[in-house]
Amino acid sequence: DSGVTQTPKHLITATGQRVTLRCSPRSGDLSVYWYQQSLDQGLQFLIQYYNGEERAKGNILERFSAQQFPDLHSELNLSSLELGDSALYFCASSDGQGVYTGELFFGEGSRLTVL
Amino acid sequence: GQNIDQPTEMTATEGAIVQINCTYQTSGFNGLFWYQQHAGEAPTFLSYNVLDGLEEKGRFSSFLSRSKGYSYLLLKELQMKDSASYLCAVTNAGNMLTFGGGTRLMVKP
Repeated sequence: DSGVTQTPKHLITATGQRVTLRCSPRSGDLSVYWYQQSLDQGLQFLIQYYNGEERAKGNILERFSAQQFPDLHSELNLSSLELGDSALYFCASSDGQGVYTGELFFGEGSRLTVL
Repeated sequence: GQNIDQPTEMTATEGAIVQINCTYQTSGFNGLFWYQQHAGEAPTFLSYNVLDGLEEKGRFSSFLSRSKGYSYLLLKELQMKDSASYLCAVTNAGNMLTFGGGTRLMVKP
């Protein structure tokens, strides 16, 4: 158990809909990262937050948005869903704000299926 | 931008040694990670290299050559449970951790 909690574990929805994925980082970790992993693909970095502020942005679509709340949990909002958005969405946390000297701790992921 | 290359698949025999290579191009290198990921599960940390040389941790070792943009993960005394994807990831000056596509390792009896 990494200490990172993601909900829901599984989600099935239709094209055009909107979903929210939630992540609670490890106790004490200030950074939260979101990654997308499509079938047989590598982990694609979406976005990072540190202590409530956006710190780095990757290949995140405009239809997607995220935020980190004062209690440090984070939400990833996916809207106008398309079939291609079906993927595993991982949240990870670390205690650092950016320059890595340690590992990321990953949650078990939220599997999104868009029909 | 960053470019990370690693073989897509490898097969090895139980009890043997396997080396998984990773080459990368990045600006402002800040370190290289190896993660293990079993199918449908979360990636778990294996190793971190920021200086040239070999880091050994039990059956797993990781090597880095910054001048060559090259790393490898060495797995000894392979076990069936080592069948998984192995992800090479690089950090840059922009503080982003970028993953390669992963190498799917199949360990056969």
